[in-house]
Amino acid sequence: ETGVTQTPRHLVMGMTNKKSLKCEQHLGHNAMYWYKQSAKKPLELMFVYNFKEQTENNSVPSRFSPECPNSSHLFLHLHTLQPEDSALYLCASSQGLLERRVTYNEQFFGPGTRLTVL
Amino acid sequence: AQTVTQSQPEMSVQEAETVTLSCTYDTSENNYYLFWYKQPPSRQMILVIRQEAYKQQNATENRFSVNFQKAAKSFSLKISDSQLGDTAMYFCAFGPLFGTGTRLKVLA
Repeated sequence: ETGVTQTPRHLVMGMTNKKSLKCEQHLGHNAMYWYKQSAKKPLELMFVYNFKEQTENNSVPSRFSPECPNSSHLFLHLHTLQPEDSALYLCASSQGLLERRVTYNEQFFGPGTRLTVL
Repeated sequence: AQTVTQSQPEMSVQEAETVTLSCTYDTSENNYYLFWYKQPPSRQMILVIRQEAYKQQNATENRFSVNFQKAAKSFSLKISDSQLGDTAMYFCAFGPLFGTGTRLKVLA
């Protein structure tokens, strides 16, 4: 138990569906992250939020839409996904960053959501 | 731009032996943290050890230790007295940027 939870743990969706992934951390952290982990590209950083502000968007397609309403919750809204988006989506949190891209602290990861797009 | 490189896709080691996993990185920053994470078959990613760049002393955590060479931008992980439970993917990370991982198998 790392203090970071993700729901759902498994999700199967069609290409026309809209779904959301949820992440919640109980560690008092202020930075939260979304990663995509697939066989072809082991761990890709997608988004970073620091004190609810998005600080990183690594050229992620617009069919992925993040939302961070507060420092404890992070969502990833999905719509019109492609089969190649099937992957394990990991959420992580860390102590807030004092300055952008400076001294990132250790991350605590959730168990992930296994997403399958049909 | 920062990069993290792990050049050993797979490794194996006999139980109770020692193994070293390699990692190199590139950055123009001077103050940063480096990490090794472990991801067992359960897929739960957990921190193994961290190194602060301004500290010359290599970090140790029980059977895990690092060899941090800042000038060479090298950050290797040594696992002593390997145990079956060490079987996992190991990722080197520069902040939130991860290498491609090394799959380690500990053999009985």
